[in-house]
Amino acid sequence: DAGVIQSPRHEVTEMGQEVTLRCKLISGHNSLFWYRQTMMRGLELLIYFNNNVPIDDSGMPEDRFSAKMPNASFSTLKIQPSEPRDSAVYFCASSDHMGEQYFGPGTRLTVT
Amino acid sequence: SQQGEEDPQALSIQEGENATMNCSYKTSINNLQWYRQNSGRGLVHLILIRSNEREKHSGRLRVTLDTSKKSSSLLITASRAADTASYFCATFGNQFYFGTGTSLTVIP
Repeated sequence: DAGVIQSPRHEVTEMGQEVTLRCKLISGHNSLFWYRQTMMRGLELLIYFNNNVPIDDSGMPEDRFSAKMPNASFSTLKIQPSEPRDSAVYFCASSDHMGEQYFGPGTRLTVT
Repeated sequence: SQQGEEDPQALSIQEGENATMNCSYKTSINNLQWYRQNSGRGLVHLILIRSNEREKHSGRLRVTLDTSKKSSSLLITASRAADTASYFCATFGNQFYFGTGTSLTVIP
């Protein structure tokens, strides 16, 4: 298995634009996590899914952020409209529920 | 959401020495995990300890868990320069929590 795959690896966009981050889970895993990491705030859990169902989205900053799992192996995190303060590295991770999490390489987002 | 702390925030040691990092949390847990992150990379799982376990070993890693004190420690023995990284604890119970991390530097 190739591990958790994230795309794009780098994204530079202008304020106000829509940003879509993508994540492919490891085959057989049923939990998906989205994290955001910045120097100021560290690693923050945004949302996690179990069996395609959002379980806890209390970490989602505001309505500009939305996440979906259209199927068991794929997820998107969308920011619309984006703002400079959204600049961060966004990680997704998958696990077989309550087990160890496997992290993707991350997407470095820069909003100018 | 963050609900605890790790200490120290930063640790610098000589190669060959042992490194100890601590993690505290606030709620009941099912398990606690430790992860390592090299600069610019994703986190890598190191070890998982369940709430009914008190100690666990994996190679040069030793993890302890004290649920009465809601704390855990990670010991890396005979450190190497390649151990230089940030180390995070993560607790899994009613909520998921990652600590703020300890930045470890091992000087060759």
